[in-house]
Amino acid sequence: DSGVTQTPKHLITATGQRVTLRCSPRSGDLSVYWYQQSLDQGLQFLIQYYNGEERAKGNILERFSAQQFPDLHSELNLSSLELGDSALYFCASSVGRYQETQYFGPGTRLLVL
Amino acid sequence: GIQVEQSPPDLILQEGANSTLRCNFSDSVNNLQWFHQNPWGQLINLFYIPSGTKQNGRLSATTVATERYSLLYISSSQTTDSGVYFCAVHTGNQFYFGTGTSLTVIP
Repeated sequence: DSGVTQTPKHLITATGQRVTLRCSPRSGDLSVYWYQQSLDQGLQFLIQYYNGEERAKGNILERFSAQQFPDLHSELNLSSLELGDSALYFCASSVGRYQETQYFGPGTRLLVL
Repeated sequence: GIQVEQSPPDLILQEGANSTLRCNFSDSVNNLQWFHQNPWGQLINLFYIPSGTKQNGRLSATTVATERYSLLYISSSQTTDSGVYFCAVHTGNQFYFGTGTSLTVIP
């Protein structure tokens, strides 16, 4: 158990809908990262937050947004969902801001029908 | 962005055998990490290794940053080592993952 929790574990929704994925980092970790893993794109970095502020941005679509709250949990919002958004979404956390050792949550498996 | 290539793409080992997985990257990086994704999908950090050598039990890793590669050694493999091994590099504010090496250890 990494100490990072993600909810929900599974999510099935329809195209055009909006969903919110939630992540709670390990106790004491200030950075949260979001990743997408799909069959065709592999593992891709989406975005990093450090202590409530966006720190780094990867291949995150404009339809996706994220935030980190004062209690350090983070949410990834996916809107106008398309079939191609079906993937495993991981959250990870680390102590500092400079992307040192990261600990991953179990992931949320999203299926868009 | 940086290209991260891993080899071999697939590997089948008899239990007890040793193996070496390789990660090549196309440009200078700030750091490099190795991860194991088990058959249930969980990603586990193995090493944070921007340079040098580290060991953890039967696993060890070496990164030669000047030559842009990293190696992951697995000794006396066990069936629980099965899964996909990823390397990921960090440069600037970006992370790039390799496509992974899928390892199957058979008893």
